[in-house]
Amino acid sequence: DTAVSQTPKYLVTQMGNDKSIKCEQNLGHDTMYWYKQDSKKFLKIMFSYNNKELIINETVPNRFSPKSPDKAHLNLHINSLELGDSAVYFCASSQDSGTLNTEAFFGQGTRLTVV
Amino acid sequence: SQQGEEDPQALSIQEGENATMNCSYKTSINNLQWYRQNSGRGLVHLILIRSNEREKHSGRLRVTLDTSKKSSSLLITASRAADTASYFCATPYNQGGKLIFGQGTELSVKP
Repeated sequence: DTAVSQTPKYLVTQMGNDKSIKCEQNLGHDTMYWYKQDSKKFLKIMFSYNNKELIINETVPNRFSPKSPDKAHLNLHINSLELGDSAVYFCASSQDSGTLNTEAFFGQGTRLTVV
Repeated sequence: SQQGEEDPQALSIQEGENATMNCSYKTSINNLQWYRQNSGRGLVHLILIRSNEREKHSGRLRVTLDTSKKSSSLLITASRAADTASYFCATPYNQGGKLIFGQGTELSVKP
């Protein structure tokens, strides 16, 4: 069973479109994240949710809107896609955001290409 | 920038050799973590070393931490072709579970 699964794995879309990436974790974790990895493999956090509540919003454009219907799901909706949004987006989860000694579990990534 | 740095950026070795990757960070930390990323895949947690630990082992992995120098190293002994991947160090930043990642070391192990 996949611990953190995200769909789709690949997403090719035109500029200006709106798209969503879904993420689910079956680990029973309280905290979920979205990270963005650019073409140089630089990884940066975008959002962090703890038990459905937003706790980190790392100065991401408001075209990006995360939604957490329950603590096992964290979806990412992107409006008006731009070329610069092309990247690999990773969903991750961890047991507890308040305890620093906790590892993160990552999904396999969604490679978004905006043309 | 809070981002750590890793060196080398790329490392190519023969199977059976040891691989050492270094990570430096900028702020005081609670722990430091190492992750592996195979091509086209997500990150996999390898090992976590707490700030009061100096060395930790897990199988063929050995991690050291020097908080006075704000640096860590990951040693992979007796490398295998399957170890070919990118390796990232990461440190948690305050609350929220946010991880600050280094830029990664791309390791290539040739059979």
